[in-house]
Amino acid sequence: GQQLNQSPQSMFIQEGEDVSMNCTSSSIFNTWLWYKQDPGEGPVLLIALYKAGELTSNGRLTAQFGITRKDSFLNISASIPSDVGIYFCAGPRNNDMRFGAGTRLTVKP
Amino acid sequence: DTGVSQDPRHKITKRGQNVTFRCDPISEHNRLYWYRQTLGQGPEFLTYFQNEAQLEKSRLLSDRFSAERPKGSFSTLEIQRTEQGDSAMYLCASSPTPRGRETQYFGPGTRLLVL
Repeated sequence: GQQLNQSPQSMFIQEGEDVSMNCTSSSIFNTWLWYKQDPGEGPVLLIALYKAGELTSNGRLTAQFGITRKDSFLNISASIPSDVGIYFCAGPRNNDMRFGAGTRLTVKP
Repeated sequence: DTGVSQDPRHKITKRGQNVTFRCDPISEHNRLYWYRQTLGQGPEFLTYFQNEAQLEKSRLLSDRFSAERPKGSFSTLEIQRTEQGDSAMYLCASSPTPRGRETQYFGPGTRLLVL
């Protein structure tokens, strides 16, 4: 089953607003990954975090690896309509990747 | 395009039939993974290959499922005697040998519908 808890489950925002979502786990992860998935497509890697406390940006996206290694957050600034989709956090566990259930983002023009 | 590719993109089959999906990973990626994703959930791990060796299988992978990667390049996932509960998106991902920096790149998926 899923070991990563994402919140919120869904968000409805106005174009131009900033967005914040997070991911928590009861166990430590040494890597946190954030993916975006469009309907009918596979997840696309947005940001990879490899070190506790690391803050990484990719354009309007910023993600942080929590100090406790049990959480991570993703921020999107100045949202645009193409930000619509489902955002997943993920972390490797043994030889597989564990995913949260996703945060569904809707952006109203 | 040098990304992960999957074929077919969609498959509709009748219960009891066998289906086979193909995945072509990013070239030179040693590791290849299969996941299943149902509506409203994140992908769930099924199995993974290091080159041609299948090194791990999830408990989700019943004996009706078999995966191969015969030459360490493309992989196939076969489901025998399909059931309605097998309806899902089947995703393939690949990664280079991680060296402490695990990252996986996904294909577009094969959506299976079992009637």
